[in-house]
Amino acid sequence: NAGVTQTPKFRILKIGQSMTLQCTQDMNHNYMYWYRQDPGMGLKLIYYSVGAGITDKGEVPNGYNVSRSTTEDFPLRLELAAPSQTSVYFCASSYGGDQNTEAFFGQGTRLTVV
Amino acid sequence: KQEVTQIPAALSVPEGENLVLNCSFTDSAIYNLQWFRQDPGKGLTSLLLIQSSQREQTSGRLNASLDKSSGRSTLYIAASQPGDSATYLCAVRINQAGTALIFGKGTTLSVSS
Repeated sequence: NAGVTQTPKFRILKIGQSMTLQCTQDMNHNYMYWYRQDPGMGLKLIYYSVGAGITDKGEVPNGYNVSRSTTEDFPLRLELAAPSQTSVYFCASSYGGDQNTEAFFGQGTRLTVV
Repeated sequence: KQEVTQIPAALSVPEGENLVLNCSFTDSAIYNLQWFRQDPGKGLTSLLLIQSSQREQTSGRLNASLDKSSGRSTLYIAASQPGDSATYLCAVRINQAGTALIFGKGTTLSVSS
């Protein structure tokens, strides 16, 4: 049982390049989330999904896109990378969204845009 | 808008001390509150989940309490050890369908031997 797996762990992008951050979970969780963590700023929600085919914006969605074609996978796409997207990105999942729900996080992807 | 605040931002204690980390939130309409641990350069590890109907949860040397009416939670760490050094994050899930966790900025704990 691997939990939530993110790839790659580290990446350097040049301004204007694009990339996809991969996230997969093997816990059969319905809910999946993408957060970014900036120093001193806490974690901010980018996008989330409550099931395959359903996605919604979080607090900071600009510059990102997501898709959810399967229960297991929730990739995050960066188009036209900008220095402001330098951050650590975390993917998370949970079975549902109610009071019994515990969220589990991946190990993160550290992205630098230069 | 729900806001989560953690005080203090940083804390240094000698080994063996009992300590309390604080978390406050502005809207009491929450489903649950979760405490996480984050080691430098690592992901988040879930420590304790307190449902809105619960008052506290315990795991080993950790005890988390929840007072929804006052918008507060505390994480009590007994007999602290150098291995407890990490950043501790508090997050709430608000009482609204389809919502995610809202995080505080964390408390960075350093336990010296």
